[in-house]
Amino acid sequence: QQPVQSPQAVILREGEDAVINCSSSKALYSVHWYRQKHGEAPVFLMILLKGGEQKGHEKISASFNEKKQQSSLYLTASQLSYSGTYFCGTESGANNLFFGTGTRLTVIP
Amino acid sequence: EAQVTQNPRYLITVTGKKLTVTCSQNMNHEYMSWYRQDPGLGLRQIYYSMNVEVTDKGDVPEGYKVSRKEKRNFPLILESPSPNQTSLYFCASHDRGRSPLHFGNGTRLTVT
Repeated sequence: QQPVQSPQAVILREGEDAVINCSSSKALYSVHWYRQKHGEAPVFLMILLKGGEQKGHEKISASFNEKKQQSSLYLTASQLSYSGTYFCGTESGANNLFFGTGTRLTVIP
Repeated sequence: EAQVTQNPRYLITVTGKKLTVTCSQNMNHEYMSWYRQDPGLGLRQIYYSMNVEVTDKGDVPEGYKVSRKEKRNFPLILESPSPNQTSLYFCASHDRGRSPLHFGNGTRLTVT
């Protein structure tokens, strides 16, 4: 039931943009995005609910296309603090969340 | 402070020796879950609980047991640990509705 994330890894210079994609084979009620720093627990970024909305959080935003069962996370003007592994979590009912394999983002000066 | 508390943080054990990883949350959340994290495989769900005495298997339940006798606690039990259960384990809880997961700090388990 794991969603598929891409790319697996990306390296950016400060100020560059990145897109991380998440897709599921199941109909989705919601998509979550989390960021995990090395050695720490994942930290919540945002939830997108069924309805195709787009949300923003500082310079990080996301979209959710429920018809395609896909979500994308957009990181603009990246900062060093954005480095980490990003996980999408998808929920297909029963309020139960399944996570993707993660995207390792490295931002270099 | 609202938190999910996992113990222990680190555990080294031998094959076959039963162990329990505890998880407790102080937010009165109905939903709790256990995940394991392995390189390249992301976070995989082991078990999930919707409320007291209500649990369900996740993607990788083999070799694990859980119980939810109280709302705040959700221990993970390995009756006979094997080396392939060496992993980083996270407990998480969340409220009803589509709400954020709160994670514990993780338990790094090594089975030799």
